[in-house]
Amino acid sequence: QKEVEQDPGPLSVPEGAIVSLNCTYSNSAFQYFMWYRQYSRKGPELLMYTYSSGNKEDGRFTAQVDKSSKYISLFIRDSQPSDSATYLCASNAPGRRALTFGSGTRLQVQP
Amino acid sequence: EAGVAQSPRYKIIEKRQSVAFWCNPISGHATLYWYQQILGQGPKLLIQFQNNGVVDDSQLPKDRFSAERLKGVDSTLKIQPAKLEDSAVYLCASSFTRDGYEQYFGPGTRLTVT
Repeated sequence: QKEVEQDPGPLSVPEGAIVSLNCTYSNSAFQYFMWYRQYSRKGPELLMYTYSSGNKEDGRFTAQVDKSSKYISLFIRDSQPSDSATYLCASNAPGRRALTFGSGTRLQVQP
Repeated sequence: EAGVAQSPRYKIIEKRQSVAFWCNPISGHATLYWYQQILGQGPKLLIQFQNNGVVDDSQLPKDRFSAERLKGVDSTLKIQPAKLEDSAVYLCASSFTRDGYEQYFGPGTRLTVT
């Protein structure tokens, strides 16, 4: 079993839709949870991170972590064609700085 | 602030040849990571440096991969000899935080082994 599981998609939505991207994880020691956006032929770009459970909002993006169910979510409001990319969730545990990534969900926002 | 720099961006080699990748992290970032990203998968850690010392190389195939970070700044990752399954994007990342939760990635080097 992979430590971080993510539906590969692709997920196709119309412009302006609310997008929900999700991951599950199995390692109870994970404390930090990150979302990266990766455009084709580019390196991953850090969108936001949260520590432990709770919500964090940044503009149109909201990250949510539920440690009781080991569930990580990213919501994108008013989605734009420029949001079309692969979204990677990642986590790490205290004392282990390297990130464990999901396989990524490919999002397509249709104009 | 300049980002993480990597070169070359693309490399095509034949199996059994050798190849080297270079990374220059963000200035002041003590921690440097090399990840391997196979098509359709998330990045997987190969090796992690703290300054010029290795912190974690447990997933590095040491019979063919090697890496160094001289003077605690630039880093080089080498593959010798390359196999077909080494075809991937090699990503370098750096971090200034103790817990590594803010990692910044370079554009990657896309390696094709034929």
